[in-house]
Amino acid sequence: EAQVTQNPRYLITVTGKKLTVTCSQNMNHEYMSWYRQDPGLGLRQIYYSMNVEVTDKGDVPEGYKVSRKEKRNFPLILESPSPNQTSLYFCASRGAGGPYETQYFGPGTRLLVL
Amino acid sequence: AQSVTQLGSHVSVSEGALVLLRCNYSSSVPPYLFWYVQYPNQGLQLLLKYTSAATLVKGINGFEAEFKKSETSFHLTKPSAHMSDAAEYFCAVSVSQGAQKLVFGQGTRLTINP
Repeated sequence: EAQVTQNPRYLITVTGKKLTVTCSQNMNHEYMSWYRQDPGLGLRQIYYSMNVEVTDKGDVPEGYKVSRKEKRNFPLILESPSPNQTSLYFCASRGAGGPYETQYFGPGTRLLVL
Repeated sequence: AQSVTQLGSHVSVSEGALVLLRCNYSSSVPPYLFWYVQYPNQGLQLLLKYTSAATLVKGINGFEAEFKKSETSFHLTKPSAHMSDAAEYFCAVSVSQGAQKLVFGQGTRLTINP
């Protein structure tokens, strides 16, 4: 089954404790992206990757890091989480055809930073 | 810059009634437009998308949307609401340059009354 998986689904942590949210897709997609969802704001892009070893900032990259060492994986790293990073996070992927292609979303990771 | 505005953060209809969720876009180039649905505690699922092939687009679960360039609109409709349609709906425009991201509206929560 074609899918995007994320782990963990739920996470409670404390300010300053480094964490990683994993994302993996099995569709051989070149393009991957991270979004955060906040009430009343819709989804906003954090980082994206056009291919292996190619990453760039989205609209709200502060406090986040990413890496793309393998085509299927695109982890999101919070090196020193803060309460304003409490949010619902989604990973997405699509093929290389272009912006008309469908982005497929993972199930989401709900993060609470105390 | 491309943007999307969804009119109405909450819409409530009776079961069997018409569903109309409004979306207006702003784009200086021909847009690629998407409607996604988010059921409780789940990721985003594509309902339908407009890629310039036809102005009336049919999607899953009986939903359809009509692209109207003169009104810069892409409203989502369903003739007869079902209880299972209760969810949050997001309209998005795909940015064709740079990050090639999806720019989302704020979302509309649809409630179905028995």
